[in-house]
Amino acid sequence: GENVEQHPSTLSVQEGDSAVIKCTYSDSASNYFPWYKQELGKGPQLIIDIRSNVGEKKDQRIAVTLNKTAKHFSLHITETQPEDSAVYFCAASSSRQLTFGSGTQLTVLP
Amino acid sequence: KAGVTQTPRYLIKTRGQQVTLSCSPISGHRSVSWYQQTPGQGLQFLFEYFSETQRNKGNFPGRFSGRQFSNSRSEMNVSTLELGDSALYLCASSHAGPPAYEQYFGPGTRLTVT
Repeated sequence: GENVEQHPSTLSVQEGDSAVIKCTYSDSASNYFPWYKQELGKGPQLIIDIRSNVGEKKDQRIAVTLNKTAKHFSLHITETQPEDSAVYFCAASSSRQLTFGSGTQLTVLP
Repeated sequence: KAGVTQTPRYLIKTRGQQVTLSCSPISGHRSVSWYQQTPGQGLQFLFEYFSETQRNKGNFPGRFSGRQFSNSRSEMNVSTLELGDSALYLCASSHAGPPAYEQYFGPGTRLTVT
């Protein structure tokens, strides 16, 4: 089955700096890669996603890149703000099932 | 549009008991997936239902079961509870069909087994 590895597990950045979270996947048939943000006491919130026919996607301060050859994808957050502090999960899907990475605790320091 | 709702939000049960959790998907969504979230194992897929049929199942014992009703609402049941079943149970809904569509999560049900 699919295996998704996510790094780093914790990340601290100064407000205004950029943050990058990286994931690798094992199943070459995976074709959908969402990113979720989970705040304390809440369910994961879909923040951006990318499909395998696209190399990069951007939504305001958030961008995701996908390298199918290397089987890795990354989340980039620019101009970080304190409200970006949360746990971020990457996921990969080859059918209808999402396999999640282990999560990254992002802390934005004021 | 209302989001995914889950009831109850918190639940405390004793070992050996059974529990039923409920999920109402976003209006118009026909697929409901269930996930278990624990600090040690992270987010793990339990099963997915579409049009009252289980389409996909994760690697969990038969004590974990589910169903979906004609209005797309879904329930999951855990029988003979064990301490290790303590977790946040999340439900996610999506439109339908392969490949995977965007899944939107509810707030979860926090189950504590004592």
